[in-house]
Amino acid sequence: AQSVTQPDIHITVSEGASLELRCNYSYGATPYLFWYVQSPGQGLQLLLKYFSGDTLVQGIKGFEAEFKRSQSSFNLRKPSVHWSDAAEYFCAVVLLTGGGNKLTFGTGTQLKVEL
Amino acid sequence: NAGVTQTPKFQVLKTGQSMTLQCAQDMNHNSMYWYRQDPGMGLRLIYYSASEGTTDKGEVPNGYNVSRLNKREFSLRLESAAPSQTSVYFCASSERTVYNEQFFGPGTRLTVL
Repeated sequence: AQSVTQPDIHITVSEGASLELRCNYSYGATPYLFWYVQSPGQGLQLLLKYFSGDTLVQGIKGFEAEFKRSQSSFNLRKPSVHWSDAAEYFCAVVLLTGGGNKLTFGTGTQLKVEL
Repeated sequence: NAGVTQTPKFQVLKTGQSMTLQCAQDMNHNSMYWYRQDPGMGLRLIYYSASEGTTDKGEVPNGYNVSRLNKREFSLRLESAAPSQTSVYFCASSERTVYNEQFFGPGTRLTVL
């Protein structure tokens, strides 16, 4: 079945450390992939997206993600985390369903940043 | 430019009561969406509207109805609320399709007792 999985429910990193959030998808065709961020008490905001072309995509707030077809992954990275990055992060993929194409979200990874 | 606005921000209902969640966008977007967010389950699509005058079911439509009143507004109605509908509800819009960036409102936190 087509799906998107975020294996880590919670991650804690120290401020200034590097970050990698994992996202795996199960989809037969080339996927359309997104990362969204949700700050506490707010709606979601798009960080970056991948449709085709260069497999390393740059986003806002210093984030990047790399699409790896061989691993069915689209992991989100940041070289140096800031305290303001504490939030919940959602990977999403456009999946083809019986009712048409739908954006399907993973279950999210909660990021805590230690000062 | 307010983006996507939702009312109310908070609501408490008793089982069996009805209510309508309001959503409006000022970005001239064609598509609008209603999601619910529950702990550990991410966001799940309830209904969406690809254009004014059209609506379609998402992943979890049971117990909900929607109205795309005009291009700006997309409302979600709970006819007879149940405790299982306790959730945070988000409205979103995108320029055309699911391949475009979705812009989200601040959410409505609904509790059904």
